[in-house]
Amino acid sequence: EVQLVESGGDLVRPGGSLKLSCVASGFTFSNYWMTWVRQAPGKGLECVANLNEDGRLIEYLDSVKGRFTISRDNTKNTVYLQMNSLRAEDTAVYYCVRDMSFGRFDPWGQGTLVTVSS
Amino acid sequence: DIVMTQTPLSLSVTPGQSASISCKSSESLLHGDGKTYLHWYLQRPGQPPHLLIYEVSSRFSGVPDRFSGSGSGTDFTLQISRVEAEDFGVYYCMQGIHPKTFGQGTMVEVK
Repeated sequence: EVQLVESGGDLVRPGGSLKLSCVASGFTFSNYWMTWVRQAPGKGLECVANLNEDGRLIEYLDSVKGRFTISRDNTKNTVYLQMNSLRAEDTAVYYCVRDMSFGRFDPWGQGTLVTVSS
Repeated sequence: DIVMTQTPLSLSVTPGQSASISCKSSESLLHGDGKTYLHWYLQRPGQPPHLLIYEVSSRFSGVPDRFSGSGSGTDFTLQISRVEAEDFGVYYCMQGIHPKTFGQGTMVEVK
């Protein structure tokens, strides 16, 4: 079964840091782009960051550039999202997704909740 | 960045009736490889989104044929014929040309 499992979400104070992880199984992880998508409470979907198969091509949402870092370890079938200088507006469920081709996202993980609040 | 605009933002539908959602992009989604990277997702309450339609009109694995997508360039439509209970939720269009962006979402609810 193709599966993605996120972890690392938590309550953190503004200005704090958090690292999310997503472990993939059921497919050849190193053959795919991977993306983090977030959804603020009651809001729509945003692509936060993505990276290509070997991790050398990376894109970020403008509002997280310089604060978030996406990376991957193909030996561990894992993609990460290091989040620094967190703000209240970063509060969201963060989903890990496999990009099958130009935004054809499947599967989606169940998501991990990040809450930034004092 | 490409802006995706969906209409309507909400829709009340009687089960068994049809529904249609429009999605317009601020730029053409026709890629240099000849494909158009416009996709549709459904998010049911409390669940992550899942893929329904990719590249304008191709139904993803397991998606019933009551779902159909059409359009080209900047104008796209998702049609649902004979809406069933499992079809209620929020529908998002998404363009896959970098950077990828979603529409605002259209909530389809029971009338």
